[in-house]
Amino acid sequence: AQKVTQAQTEISVVEKEDVTLDCVYETRDTTYYLFWYKQPPSGELVFLIRRNSFDEQNEISGRYSWNFQKSTSSFNFTITASQVVDSAVYFCALSGRNDYKLSFGAGTTVTVRA
Amino acid sequence: DTAVSQTPKYLVTQMGNDKSIKCEQNLGHDTMYWYKQDSKKFLKIMFSYNNKELIINETVPNRFSPKSPDKAHLNLHINSLELGDSAVYFCASSQESGLAGPHEQYFGPGTRLTVT
Repeated sequence: AQKVTQAQTEISVVEKEDVTLDCVYETRDTTYYLFWYKQPPSGELVFLIRRNSFDEQNEISGRYSWNFQKSTSSFNFTITASQVVDSAVYFCALSGRNDYKLSFGAGTTVTVRA
Repeated sequence: DTAVSQTPKYLVTQMGNDKSIKCEQNLGHDTMYWYKQDSKKFLKIMFSYNNKELIINETVPNRFSPKSPDKAHLNLHINSLELGDSAVYFCASSQESGLAGPHEQYFGPGTRLTVT
């Protein structure tokens, strides 16, 4: 069974601070896929990134960056120079190759104060 | 144009009633899903369909019955609604898993169901 742990329930920062969201996963699969989604206060779920288990390169997209470390089963997400619009619940998720589903972590609520 | 749409957005009903939620995607995807998000924001898979065939039924009570009339639609019918069914229900779709593995899922706006 796939398991995702997001130990941080809530994080509050002031605008322009950096914030890192932790994601630790458990799986018996040798091939698996990791995802991050954003759920802003309006409620929709927005896809941010997909990463497979063979690609351990870190990725940067604008102010967002992701650090994948297979040795520690972690796929952490950093928002640099946070903005009020980054306030949302962020979910990490895991899927095995043939799972036909996403197994989500409990989510981390990020509040960015002006 | 909305990629994954759901109707209705809000649904308030009484215990014991039967209700349906409709989902449509215009992305040309082969795989569709229903997820339930509870009051603590926890998201859990309910059903997965691939090419109109049920792939996953994740220990959901049989009061919930999904139906996929074609690859672009996946509806959810709920019989004899209970208080515990109150939640936000999300429909999602993705390309079919292939050699590249599972693809990202695109979610609808959600349907907030309140059972009184």
